[in-house]
Amino acid sequence: ETGVTQSPTHLIKTRGQQVTLRCSSQSGHNTVSWYQQALGQGPQFIFQYYREEENGRGNFPPRFSGLQFPNYSSELNVNALELDDSALYLCASSDGGQGGGYGYTFGSGTRLTVV
Amino acid sequence: KNEVEQSPQNLTAQEGEFITINCSYSVGISALHWLQQHPGGGIVSLFMLSSGKKKHGRLIATINIQEKHSSLHITASHPRDSAVYICAVSRSARQLTFGSGTQLTVLP
Repeated sequence: ETGVTQSPTHLIKTRGQQVTLRCSSQSGHNTVSWYQQALGQGPQFIFQYYREEENGRGNFPPRFSGLQFPNYSSELNVNALELDDSALYLCASSDGGQGGGYGYTFGSGTRLTVV
Repeated sequence: KNEVEQSPQNLTAQEGEFITINCSYSVGISALHWLQQHPGGGIVSLFMLSSGKKKHGRLIATINIQEKHSSLHITASHPRDSAVYICAVSRSARQLTFGSGTQLTVLP
């Protein structure tokens, strides 16, 4: 059973650029959620994908977009990077379905710095 | 007011002490999660609770649904327990809503 792998682990980008972060889900999991964690804060929900469809979105602008692939891995894309986008981006996979109460497996995160 | 509140924000203990971290939430939930985050950033799921009490090694988690409150206890704390402990809740929308975390430092 593999865990959740995120890549890259660290990334430095310039304001205005675009970035793609990647996440492989745990074997058997069909749901991937993305979170943004600013320094000293709890993670904030960006969006979730369930069986390749967006299944909920937090309070993030449209320049944050995502994809889920048939193997349930996922990408987070951020366009027109701003300094405030500097954060740890976490991916979590779970076995989705109706209702809540799922176990989650988290990746180690991608540390994005925008300069 | 945040939907999930944790206390204390920071906690320093001596090795061997009994530690309690508290979590209160203001919404209906399907489950409450206790998570551990080490300085590298990765998050490990410790417990998922919808009622009662769970124990794993030196860790114990309890939840009182009526009072919308949960506690995480660490018995015989050790310096390797030093980490950020985060409470999160899941609802029918499936995504997690997190508290801001408790930074625990256990001194030898």
